[in-house]
Amino acid sequence: DAGITQSPRHKVTETGTPVTLRCHQTENHRYMYWYRQDPGHGLRLIHYSYGVKDTDKGEVSDGYSVSRSKTEDFLLTLESATSSQTSVYFCAISEYWEGTEAFFGQGTRLTVV
Amino acid sequence: DQQVKQNSPSLSVQEGRISILNCDYTNSMFDYFLWYKKYPAEGPTFLISISSIKDKNEDGRFTVFLNKSAKHLSLHIVPSQPGDSAVYFCAASAIRGTSYGKLTFGQGTILTVHP
Repeated sequence: DAGITQSPRHKVTETGTPVTLRCHQTENHRYMYWYRQDPGHGLRLIHYSYGVKDTDKGEVSDGYSVSRSKTEDFLLTLESATSSQTSVYFCAISEYWEGTEAFFGQGTRLTVV
Repeated sequence: DQQVKQNSPSLSVQEGRISILNCDYTNSMFDYFLWYKKYPAEGPTFLISISSIKDKNEDGRFTVFLNKSAKHLSLHIVPSQPGDSAVYFCAASAIRGTSYGKLTFGQGTILTVHP
């Protein structure tokens, strides 16, 4: 299995509070991604990174920010959590940019109450 | 705008029979297609892929077929086993355009294989 660790695995937070999810990899892959999974939508890309301090938006980036200060860590921040951000969040990594297979973490289940 | 669609939310088959999961796409820039399998409380795992220069790719019990003119791909599992019960996601990426290098996923199909 690819070395990807997401933390926390579960979190319950209140509306309006900031939340940071962490993705840590030991594979030294250049590309990292944050997805959210919701019923009826599959997995949707939130943000991605193509190197240290190089990030860009995905299709559902509103309300989220990311940072990547080291190759191994990719942080996803919800500045002010809303109930619509209740979801399962997956981090993924890939060695190559050209959409080849990405390896996923085990996910973080976030509930905003 | 769902560029990758899996129109069957669920599929139920008997052990030993063939499972056929379908996926349609709308973006003609997509040129690489993947299938992922997901068990509950786990992340998706890569299963099989196909490039647009091929129309078939086989790996053991899993075969993916691509029909570019119809913008359709399918995953065949033969024979199906109870351990194949999972959610299957189809994904696509493009060599250029806004979908370049990023995976676009379908909604997923829940496969249940009955013993």
